[in-house]
Amino acid sequence: RKEVEQDPGPFNVPEGATVAFNCTYSNSASQSFFWYRQDCRKEPKLLMSVYSSGNEDGRFTAQLNRASQYISLLIRDSKLSDSATYLCGVTTDSWGKLQFGAGTQVVVTP
Amino acid sequence: EPEVTQTPSHQVTQMGQEVILRCVPISNHLYFYWYRQILGQKVEFLVSFYNNEISEKSEIFDDQFSVERPDGSNFTLKIRSTKLEDSAMYFCASSPLSANYGYTFGSGTRLTVV
Repeated sequence: RKEVEQDPGPFNVPEGATVAFNCTYSNSASQSFFWYRQDCRKEPKLLMSVYSSGNEDGRFTAQLNRASQYISLLIRDSKLSDSATYLCGVTTDSWGKLQFGAGTQVVVTP
Repeated sequence: EPEVTQTPSHQVTQMGQEVILRCVPISNHLYFYWYRQILGQKVEFLVSFYNNEISEKSEIFDDQFSVERPDGSNFTLKIRSTKLEDSAMYFCASSPLSANYGYTFGSGTRLTVV
């Protein structure tokens, strides 16, 4: 079983719509959770950390469900510029080894 | 905004040659990492480095790989004898206190082994 799994998509989303997708992780001792955005052939960029209580940053909302071992990302009022691959990142210790899923591709269409 | 700088942006090398990929992490960061991404595949952890030593490495990071922080600012990844399958995007990253604070990635070095 992969340590971090994501639905690869693509999720085709009309501009202005809402899209949500999950990421599951296998290690129950995982400590920290992140969503990164990666544009084609570019570096991953930190979108947001995911906290136990859930958190929101503008149009983006992240949730953590420790019992079921998944995190989610919801994007409201999708913009064309939201088209990207969204990577889920999970750490199991403070030393680092942020493990990534393979990414979920989102394509926002006019 | 502080950034992680990587050079070169693209390196082409012949199989069997040694390459050194260079990174300048954000100045007050304490944790440093190398990742790679083969085209079309996921971002894979190679190695983490803290307090001038490797703190963790993956199975990919075998004897042909080494890392060094030679002068307090640069952080290098050396591949001793490159193979065709080493062709990938190599990303350096740094973190202020630990991985639990998230990383900042550099823009990457595209390594092509021919």
